[in-house]
Amino acid sequence: NAGVTQTPKFRILKIGQSMTLQCAQDMNHNYMYWYRQDPGMGLKLIYYSVGAGITDKGEVPNGYNVSRSTTEDFPLRLELAAPSQTSVYFCASRPQSLDYGYTFGSGTRLTVV
Amino acid sequence: AQTVTQSQPEMSVQEAETVTLSCTYDTSESDYYLFWYKQPPSRQMILVIRQEAYKQQNATENRFSVNFQKAAKSFSLKISDSQLGDAAMYFCAYRIRPNYGGSQGNLIFGKGTKLSVKP
Repeated sequence: NAGVTQTPKFRILKIGQSMTLQCAQDMNHNYMYWYRQDPGMGLKLIYYSVGAGITDKGEVPNGYNVSRSTTEDFPLRLELAAPSQTSVYFCASRPQSLDYGYTFGSGTRLTVV
Repeated sequence: AQTVTQSQPEMSVQEAETVTLSCTYDTSESDYYLFWYKQPPSRQMILVIRQEAYKQQNATENRFSVNFQKAAKSFSLKISDSQLGDAAMYFCAYRIRPNYGGSQGNLIFGKGTKLSVKP
């Protein structure tokens, strides 16, 4: 049981480049989330999804896009990367029931230069 | 808006001793959950303990326990018999119970407390 898998683990982008951060879970969870963690800060929600085909903005969505075509996958797209997007990105998922917590991926460290 | 505050950026404890990490939160909701997550150098976010607001009894998981004071909106984490492996960032987090109005009860995090354990 792999849980939540994020790829890549590290990436360096040049300003203006684009990339997609991949997130996949094999637990059949309805809810999936993207967070970013800046140095010395807690995690802030970028986007979330309550099921395939349904996504919504979180606290800091500007500069990002998401899609959820399947239950398993929830990719995060960065268009026109900026230095302010240098951060560690976490994907998480949880089932419908509130009795369970979130399962987090191991994160992607992104540097924009 | 809900907020979570961790007032101790760094803490240090001697191995085998006890340490308490502080967390306060601000909310007008009455039904919610509180969590402590551990983030070791590997970056993995690990759930340590959770508390449901309607339960008066403090949650306990082995060496980890909480002191939940609902009226004071305080949720501290006590680590007993500290071990070297406890060294990590600890995040306090809050989540309301999702409601039919559309809120999905997303997690809101504090800025974290970096815990060092001295041998």
